Amino acid sequence: AAGVIQSPRHLIKEKRETATLKCYPIPRHDTVYWYQQGPGQDPQFLISFYEKMQSDKGSIPDRFSAQQFSDYHSELNMSSLELGDSALYFCASSLGVQGNSGANVLTFGAGSRLTVL
Amino acid sequence: AQSVTQLDSHVSVSEGTPVLLRCNYSSSYSPSLFWYVQHPNKGLQLLLKYTSAATLVKGINGFEAEFKKSETSFHLTKPSAHMSDAAEYFCVVSESGTYKYIFGTGTRLKVLA
Repeated sequence: AAGVIQSPRHLIKEKRETATLKCYPIPRHDTVYWYQQGPGQDPQFLISFYEKMQSDKGSIPDRFSAQQFSDYHSELNMSSLELGDSALYFCASSLGVQGNSGANVLTFGAGSRLTVL
Repeated sequence: AQSVTQLDSHVSVSEGTPVLLRCNYSSSYSPSLFWYVQHPNKGLQLLLKYTSAATLVKGINGFEAEFKKSETSFHLTKPSAHMSDAAEYFCVVSESGTYKYIFGTGTRLKVLA
């Protein structure tokens, strides 16, 4: 079965550079979530999109932006990178419309590891 | 507002002994609760999900969790630990209709030979 695809898997950047992470959700999933996980930390919610519109915003820095495209893939753009941005970035997808069985399952990608030097 | 507390940051068990990972939640409405596992340098994998159908939920790899509303708990258990169970475990709560998923701070499970 197709899973959530994230690219690149690893990325090394210098301070003040920019980086773009991509996420391809499971087919027919219309909702995408971005999480940031620092070393030894739990995943922190950054931002989510439903049907190409931002649905919720978490602790995303102003230097970061994201969008969801017409094919439902999403991109996270990070500018003026700082050392503290080094982390594992996860994308998760789900069906946005909830049925009778409560909240939908989030399916996570393998993550993109960003290292800022 | 919803929140989730994982009571133990680290748990160590011997191989073949039971596992108990504790999770308490706070939710204004009917919550959906999940347990995810993360092996080192890997993504998060769903173990099981509770959505009000049955209070005892069976998941993959022999794990199960029991929803106790009176105690606002959703503890994860396994009768017999395997070395391959060593990983980080996250309890997640979501309120129906909010599309928000709140993660606990994680419990690192260590399995001793």
